Amino acid sequence: KAGVTQTPRYLIKTRGQQVTLSCSPISGHRSVSWYQQTPGQGLQFLFEYFSETQRNKGNFPGRFSGRQFSNSRSEMNVSTLELGDSALYLCASSRQGGFANTGELFFGEGSRLTVL
Amino acid sequence: ELKVEQNPLFLSMQEGKNYTIYCNYSTTSDRLYWYRQDPGKSLESLFVLLSNGAVKQEGRLMASLDTKARLSTLHITAAVHDLSATYFCAVHNDMRFGAGTRLTVKP
Repeated sequence: KAGVTQTPRYLIKTRGQQVTLSCSPISGHRSVSWYQQTPGQGLQFLFEYFSETQRNKGNFPGRFSGRQFSNSRSEMNVSTLELGDSALYLCASSRQGGFANTGELFFGEGSRLTVL
Repeated sequence: ELKVEQNPLFLSMQEGKNYTIYCNYSTTSDRLYWYRQDPGKSLESLFVLLSNGAVKQEGRLMASLDTKARLSTLHITAAVHDLSATYFCAVHNDMRFGAGTRLTVKP
């Protein structure tokens, strides 16, 4: 069974640019959530999508956005990149959406973004 | 605001020793999750604890949950080098993760 696939794995951007990251969940999983991991702030929740709808959102500025397609694949976009956006961006999928459910998360390998 | 606090944040152990990692959280939740992250890798689900008093064991790791005390523990028995990693607890109510405990097991 294929796991969660994230692309690209590594990317370098400059300040002011935008970036789009992609996540393909495990087959049959309808929930995709995104996280930012940095040494200083740890793991922080960005947003969760279930059946193409954003169900939950973390405390990030509007420059961070996402969407989910009918095949459950998800993308996140960061516009007007800042140095502080350098991080490992992790995507996770689960069978059920909404955090009140028993949603064990299966994580992808992550996309490591460096902003220069 | 939900807070999830792990301690210790850094743990250096000798092989063969036992130790416990603690995870305290600040709001009512009847489920808690433990994940493992190897350096440069992603997170792997270890345990899903779904009710008060839940105890789960996998190899040298055992996790428990006390929802009344808002406390979960991850106990390591007879540590081996392969357990070296960072361990995170998470409360899914708010998708809040602890800061992680970086465990190093030395020969």
